[in-house]
Amino acid sequence: AQKITQTQPGMFVQEKEAVTLDCTYDTSDQSYGLFWYKQPSSGEMIFLIYQGSYDEQNATEGRYSLNFQKARKSANLVISASQLGDSAMYFCAMREGPGIQGAQKLVFGQGTRLTINP
Amino acid sequence: DSGVTQTPKHLITATGQRVTLRCSPRSGDLSVYWYQQSLDQGLQFLIQYYNGEERAKGNILERFSAQQFPDLHSELNLSSLELGDSALYFCASSEGAGGLETQYFGPGTRLLVL
Repeated sequence: AQKITQTQPGMFVQEKEAVTLDCTYDTSDQSYGLFWYKQPSSGEMIFLIYQGSYDEQNATEGRYSLNFQKARKSANLVISASQLGDSAMYFCAMREGPGIQGAQKLVFGQGTRLTINP
Repeated sequence: DSGVTQTPKHLITATGQRVTLRCSPRSGDLSVYWYQQSLDQGLQFLIQYYNGEERAKGNILERFSAQQFPDLHSELNLSSLELGDSALYFCASSEGAGGLETQYFGPGTRLLVL
């Protein structure tokens, strides 16, 4: 079963607009972490933001925020005031708690390709 | 710059050959993870080492092996290469072994098998 689902293969947004990238996840564990990574065309994977399952506040890092809705099992990434340099693939990933077999790994979604238009 | 280094950046080789990919983790990180990114499979976890010991195994083929050395750098060995092994191979590192800490990725090694 798919553990991380990103339903938007591609998104096109005007520069300076806010954008929301969707991510839903599936786990039976109570302790888990959710991560977003950015992969520009150069290929590297850049960590953006982290949300722990027990964190009561939504995570924020500069222009990035994570809209965490635990009951809906969603962890959407919000980028405010988008810039041309935000054009990239964005991956949502989950790491389950230490008690789960093989929990050390990150499980990734298929990604969303974001294009910022000038 | 994540602080994780990988060499080489690009590798072109032929089917049947063997290659070694190298990774140095961030200073202070004891865990190293290897991931494979291909067009058809997406990003897949291969294997994790923590402080020299294998900690977790994912979808790693028997033709692939890895190790982590006392200085904590890691090598991923790919042998009897097939066309389908062409992919971007990432190394990531984290401080601990099995908690929820962030994994920081290196720039990747792009492998092309001809």
